[in-house]
Amino acid sequence: DIQMTQSPSTLSASVGDRVAITCRASESINTWLAWFQQKPGKAPKLLIYKASSLESGVPSRFSGSGSGTEFTLTISSLQPDDFATYFCQQYNSSPWTFGQGTKVEIK
Amino acid sequence: QLQLQESGPGLVKPSETLSLTCTVSGASISNSNYYWGWIRQPPGKGLEWLGNVYYSGSTRYNPSLKSRVTISVDTSNDQFSLKLSSVTAADTGVYYCARSYTGNSKWFDPWGQGTLVTVSS
Repeated sequence: DIQMTQSPSTLSASVGDRVAITCRASESINTWLAWFQQKPGKAPKLLIYKASSLESGVPSRFSGSGSGTEFTLTISSLQPDDFATYFCQQYNSSPWTFGQGTKVEIK
Repeated sequence: QLQLQESGPGLVKPSETLSLTCTVSGASISNSNYYWGWIRQPPGKGLEWLGNVYYSGSTRYNPSLKSRVTISVDTSNDQFSLKLSSVTAADTGVYYCARSYTGNSKWFDPWGQGTLVTVSS
């Protein structure tokens, strides 16, 4: 199985900050990576697919980059609605696997 | 707008079979472009993909659970179901159903709200 490792596990930031979350794969997954946002008690929401493609309706302050084994989700200017948990998913090879999640907290 | 909703018992006894159903609305489960999947999240842990089903009934399972998981589809009612046998406390968690795609677009979107299943006597 491909292991997905996210860092940091928790991130404390303020409104307006630029934040970056990293997802590393245990082997190359090309650009077959998605990013999701999850709030407590809610369904995960797709933000980014194919490593850098922004899902329709997602604010442009979210961006994704990377290929191979290292990927980054960047929020250019953190907004109050962005405090949530973020996780990645690789879909290069089955079984599809997820990162452990990064919780973005208010500093 | 496609929506998915999980349903089923919230409490299952150890050694018994966990059974959940996902009802799809806003799109046909028989669309040949889609797979339908189950994912779970134990308390305080990450997400684990359990398996997918195609409208034809063909399935793909996570090898870590393959011997205990069965996923089936009911196209007449736009539903698909999960059965997980011989459950233990380690199977406690929130269970989500979600849509995936054929081809290279195998991310999950959208997801259901999730349903908490507790394994306890």
